[in-house]
Amino acid sequence: DIQMTQSPSSLSASVGDRVTITCRASQRIGSYLNWYQQKPGKAPKLLIYAASSLQSGVPSRFSGSGSGTDFTLTISSLQLEDFATYYCQQSYFNPRGRYTFGQGTKLEIK
Amino acid sequence: QVQLQESGPGLVKPSQTLSLSCTVSGGSITSGSYYWGWIRQPAGKGLEYIGRVYTSGSANYSPSFESRVAIALDTSKNQFSLNLRSVTAADTAVYYCARMTYYDFWGGSRIGAFDIWGQGTMVTVSS
Repeated sequence: DIQMTQSPSSLSASVGDRVTITCRASQRIGSYLNWYQQKPGKAPKLLIYAASSLQSGVPSRFSGSGSGTDFTLTISSLQLEDFATYYCQQSYFNPRGRYTFGQGTKLEIK
Repeated sequence: QVQLQESGPGLVKPSQTLSLSCTVSGGSITSGSYYWGWIRQPAGKGLEYIGRVYTSGSANYSPSFESRVAIALDTSKNQFSLNLRSVTAADTAVYYCARMTYYDFWGGSRIGAFDIWGQGTMVTVSS
């Protein structure tokens, strides 16, 4: 199975900062990578699909890039509501539909 | 607007079967080309994909659960279900149901992503 590794596991930043989170796949997955945001006690929310496409309604300060094995999620100017845990998820084509998440990156207020 | 809501027992005994339902409102579970999936999250830990079922009723599962899981549609109730057999304390988690939508992107490719989630339900495995 494809393993997804995020770094860092946690990150402290201030409002207005530019933040980048990295996700690495154990094998090449093209652009088959999604990003989610999860706040405490809430369900995850889809932010970005296909590595760089912004889900409808998601603020433009969120962006994604990468392909193959290395991917990044960038928040251009942190807002208070962005402090949360972020997960990547590979959605690489396979008939049996085996999807895996990264272990998460917790973004905290400095 | 489509919404999902999980339901089921919050406490299950070890070695028994964990059974949850997810009710879909605001749309038919058989319309469109969607998958309906289950994901769980142990307390303080990350997300773990369990499996999904297509609108046709065809299901597939993560290898980690394949031997003891079944996901099925109940079209009469506009629901889909999760049955996880032979549970242990390690199965204690918040269980989420979610819709997987396929998005088109460059080169004619399509990617599945979980775009709508239920609020989650806590299941504890304990005697």
